[in-house]
Amino acid sequence: DGGITQSPKYLFRKEGQNVTLSCEQNLNHDAMYWYRQDPGQGLRLIYYSQIVNDFQKGDIAEGYSVSREKKESFPLTVTSAQKNPTAFYLCASKGGGRGTDTQYFGPGTRLTVL
Amino acid sequence: GDSVTQMEGPVTLSEEAFLTINCTYTATGYPSLFWYVQYPGEGLQLLLKATKADDKGSNKGFEATYRKETTSFHLEKGSVQVSDSAVYFCALSDWDGNTPLVFGKGTRLSVIA
Repeated sequence: DGGITQSPKYLFRKEGQNVTLSCEQNLNHDAMYWYRQDPGQGLRLIYYSQIVNDFQKGDIAEGYSVSREKKESFPLTVTSAQKNPTAFYLCASKGGGRGTDTQYFGPGTRLTVL
Repeated sequence: GDSVTQMEGPVTLSEEAFLTINCTYTATGYPSLFWYVQYPGEGLQLLLKATKADDKGSNKGFEATYRKETTSFHLEKGSVQVSDSAVYFCALSDWDGNTPLVFGKGTRLSVIA
């Protein structure tokens, strides 16, 4: 089945540690996205990538980093510079151009900083 | 820039009640419009979409009509069920589809038996 996988579903880290969240898609989509969601809140865009080896900052990129070395993969690193990293992180992807504008989401990773 | 405004929740309804969640947008050109649903602890799922004026998207008893004259895309369902309890997000895609979707803040719906 085609889809987006995120791992792990729950992640715990100690304050001051970097942690990497995985996002993989087998939909052959060009574009991939990372969002952060806080309890009872909407989505905030962290980073996005429209093509391999290229990515752009979203609204809240500070304290995060990404890479896009393969079309299928878009890992997100939450660095120790992120002041309040506890949140629910959602990855999404979509095909390119008009007519392929639907974003599809993964199941999410819940990160808790202890 | 483009923006989406949807009614604030939470919305609490009794089973079999009629549901409307309002969504209005600001955009240049001809955006596509979407409704997504998020069940507790899960990612977002596409509920329905419409790509041009007067199109009606529908799925699982939910409907929304793309109204360009009022820049609206209100979500409706004639008879809600407890299983419809979730957070609903309205979103738009700009005319060329090459930028991230713009989302509303979400509306939490609780349906009680």
